[in-house]
Amino acid sequence: NAGVTQTPKFQVLKTGQSMTLQCAQDMNHEYMSWYRQDPGMGLRLIHYSVGAGITDQGEVPNGYNVSRSTTEDFPLRLLSAAPSQTSVYFCASSHLKGNQPQHFGDGTRLSIL
Amino acid sequence: GEDVEQSLFLSVREGDSSVINCTYTDSSSTYLYWYKQEPGAGLQLLTYIFSNMDMKQDQRLTVLLNKKDKHLSLRIADTQTGDSAIYFCAERGNQGGKLIFGQGTELSVKP
Repeated sequence: NAGVTQTPKFQVLKTGQSMTLQCAQDMNHEYMSWYRQDPGMGLRLIHYSVGAGITDQGEVPNGYNVSRSTTEDFPLRLLSAAPSQTSVYFCASSHLKGNQPQHFGDGTRLSIL
Repeated sequence: GEDVEQSLFLSVREGDSSVINCTYTDSSSTYLYWYKQEPGAGLQLLTYIFSNMDMKQDQRLTVLLNKKDKHLSLRIADTQTGDSAIYFCAERGNQGGKLIFGQGTELSVKP
């Protein structure tokens, strides 16, 4: 069972570079989301999607773009990386109806120099 | 807006009970969750409680919900060194799958 798969697991970027963090799920979940985790701040929601073609901003969307062209994939794009975006990024997915807990990927550890 | 608060650290001795507390502000929360994060790993769902319940027990875990005070707690009985991790409280409102997380409580279990 693959669940939620995030790639890469680690990445180091220079300020100003761009990159895409990949997230894929094979559970046919409608809801997908991206969080960043920073010490002492828990998980903060960046962007989320309730279905293909639909995305919305979370708590900390600035500097990040997302798209949802398929149910399975929800990539997160950093157009011009900044040191403040050094963090651990988690992708999560769930069904929308009823009590459907979110399933998390293993995270992408991103460092911006 | 919605907010979830947790204390940052808790230290207990092996075999004791641990109680991790959480407060939230959204009175429309439908489900409340506890997740566990071990070092270098993602979040693993431990347990959850529906907002119309007061208590839920699952083996060594007991969740208590005081909806009037918007207070949630997780009790771990007979705490083991393998329970050392960060524990996150999260609430889900009535806006689909969106979760709001607390800051996480780092539980340290000393032998």
